[in-house]
Amino acid sequence: EAGVAQSPRYKIIEKRQSVAFWCNPISGHATLYWYQQILGQGPKLLIQFQNNGVVDDSQLPKDRFSAERLKGVDSTLKIQPAKLEDSAVYLCASRSPPGVLQETQYFGPGTRLLVL
Amino acid sequence: SQQGEEDPQALSIQEGENATMNCSYKTSINNLQWYRQNSGRGLVHLILIRSNEREKHSGRLRVTLDTSKKSSSLLITASRAADTASYFCATDAGAGSYQLTFGKGTKLSVIP
Repeated sequence: EAGVAQSPRYKIIEKRQSVAFWCNPISGHATLYWYQQILGQGPKLLIQFQNNGVVDDSQLPKDRFSAERLKGVDSTLKIQPAKLEDSAVYLCASRSPPGVLQETQYFGPGTRLLVL
Repeated sequence: SQQGEEDPQALSIQEGENATMNCSYKTSINNLQWYRQNSGRGLVHLILIRSNEREKHSGRLRVTLDTSKKSSSLLITASRAADTASYFCATDAGAGSYQLTFGKGTKLSVIP
């Protein structure tokens, strides 16, 4: 089966600009996650969707970050305006449907963002 | 916040040797998972151990879990150059949230 797709793979912007990332999860995976991974650290959860609804966005900096999953499949994560400290890899993951592997998350390749 | 803390932060070994990485966490868990991340890539799930399990094997991987000490270890036997990667433990607190909290990772270098 196809994995989690993300685009773009790399993005360089100047501070105060806006940027958007796209994610297409594995077909049939209802739960989708966005993580931020700063260099040298582990991924940090930003937001969790179940179908097209938000389950948890408590760690999403809502003054500048927004995310949506309108049709319950693809998702976009936006940063507006970007700050230098937003430089990181943004990872999208989806979770297996109920069953033996339901706790397992499958990650996309990530989008590496550099804010200058 | 980071739940797990991996130890060591970096590990360099010769091909064929065993590699052991440790993870400590702070709160109670439903399960603990280990993931691998190759440079510039996404994370790949390696193995999951539930809170009522003490040891689990998968190929060259052996995971142990000590809930009384809130710690886990990942052993990779007969390492290969292809095992060079960062390894992260992630804890799932359960309660149906299916959320993972990751540690900072151990960077493993296997020298051919």
